Amino acid sequence: QVQLVESGGGVVQPGRSLRLSCAASGFSLNNYGMHWVRQAPGKGLEWVAVIWSDGKTKFYADSVKGRFTFSRDSSRTTLSLQMNSLRVDDTAVYYCARERGPFDGFDFWGQGAMVTVSS
Amino acid sequence: QSALTQPPSASGSPGQSVTISCTGTSSDIGSYNYVSWYQQHPGKAPKLIIYEVSKRPSGVPDRFSGSKSGNTASLTVSGLQAEDEAEYYCHSYAGNNNWLFGGGTKLTVL
Repeated sequence: QVQLVESGGGVVQPGRSLRLSCAASGFSLNNYGMHWVRQAPGKGLEWVAVIWSDGKTKFYADSVKGRFTFSRDSSRTTLSLQMNSLRVDDTAVYYCARERGPFDGFDFWGQGAMVTVSS
Repeated sequence: QSALTQPPSASGSPGQSVTISCTGTSSDIGSYNYVSWYQQHPGKAPKLIIYEVSKRPSGVPDRFSGSKSGNTASLTVSGLQAEDEAEYYCHSYAGNNNWLFGGGTKLTVL
C-alpha cells in the first residue's frame, strides 16, 4: 500500500538549516508529482513546493523560494527538502503528499514532521 | 497570491446538511477544475475527500459532494454524523505551478 513517512524534523535556531526526508513506498515516484505542504501551529495549510514525476522540474512558493530545495535521490524512493536560512515563521508541521495527477488533488499524505525555529 | 476564502466555522445537527463555500478568483478556481477538499481531524494529516470539483476517492461516503460555480467552490456534507466534526480545507490549482489552500472551516456537529 502507498505509504509516505517523513523524518528529520526538530528544533533549530533562526538562520540555520535543516533537511527533511520523505520515504515513499507502494508506488513509483517516476509516475507521480510530489509536494510539500506545511501547517503552522493552529493555522491552515500552505503549499510549499512541488517536484514533477521527472524528478528534475521543481517549483516553490514565494515564501520559501531561494531558501528551500526539493530533491529526489537516485534510488527514486526518497524525497528531501533542504531548508536553509530558516526563519521563525517557518515553524510548522511539514507534510509530503502525492499528487493524484498533474495539477490534481493530493491523495496520500505522510504523518508530518514538526520543524520549530526558535532562538 | 492570497489564500482561498472559507468561512471560519459551520455547524449543523446530526442528519442535517451543511454547505461550506470556498471563494477564489478567475485565476484559480474560475480557471481550473482542479478543486479539491480535505478533511482534517485534530493531530492528523489531511484526507482527500473531493477532487476535480466533484469526484470522490474510493472509500469516501457519498454524503460528501462538491460543486463549483464561477470563482466559488462548495462542499456539501449531507446526513451529518458525529465523525464529520473536523476542519475542512479547499484547495485549487492556481496556474504557473502554484497551488492555493483555503483558510479552513471548522465544522461542528451540534
